[in-house]
Amino acid sequence: NAGVTQTPKFQVLKTGQSMTLQCAQDMNHNSMYWYRQDPGMGLRLIYYSASEGTTDKGEVPNGYNVSRLNKREFSLRLESAAPSQTSVYFCASSESNSNTEAFFGQGTRLTVV
Amino acid sequence: QKEVEQDPGPLSVPEGAIVSLNCTYSNSAFQYFMWYRQYSRKGPELLMYTYSSGNKEDGRFTAQVDKSSKYISLFIRDSQPSDSATYLCAMKNANDYKLSFGAGTTVTVRA
Repeated sequence: NAGVTQTPKFQVLKTGQSMTLQCAQDMNHNSMYWYRQDPGMGLRLIYYSASEGTTDKGEVPNGYNVSRLNKREFSLRLESAAPSQTSVYFCASSESNSNTEAFFGQGTRLTVV
Repeated sequence: QKEVEQDPGPLSVPEGAIVSLNCTYSNSAFQYFMWYRQYSRKGPELLMYTYSSGNKEDGRFTAQVDKSSKYISLFIRDSQPSDSATYLCAMKNANDYKLSFGAGTTVTVRA
């Protein structure tokens, strides 16, 4: 049982380049999330999707876009990467918005130079 | 000021010691209080959660919530080297999707 799978695990981008982080879950969860984790800042919500077909901004959405492709998949796109977007990105899912347990992927370590 | 404050440590203790972790928060609407454990280079995983005030025990782990003081704690008894990880507190309102996380405390248990 894979849980939440993120690809890629590591990426180095040049400033201005674009890329898409992929996330898929096999737990039939309705809600999916993208977080970034920076030293001393904890996890901060970028975007979330309460259910298939809906997306909403979180705490730090600037510079990102998302797509909820279907119930399983939720992608995060950086259109023009900036050094401030160097971070570890985590995708998570939960049964619903009100569920207390979120299941996290292994993370994507992104460096923008 | 952050909504959830957590001392990042690091905390280093000998095997068998009691580990005490805590968070303070400012939003009185928070009703669900969680502790996540994150091993190095891995994603966080839920360790325990508590609804409203009170204590909850699960094996060697005890979570406490004091809503009057806006203060939560996690205690690890008889700590083991396998407990070495970063522990993140998280909180949410009853009807909200949003989890508010602390910065995480890195714990090392020395054999």
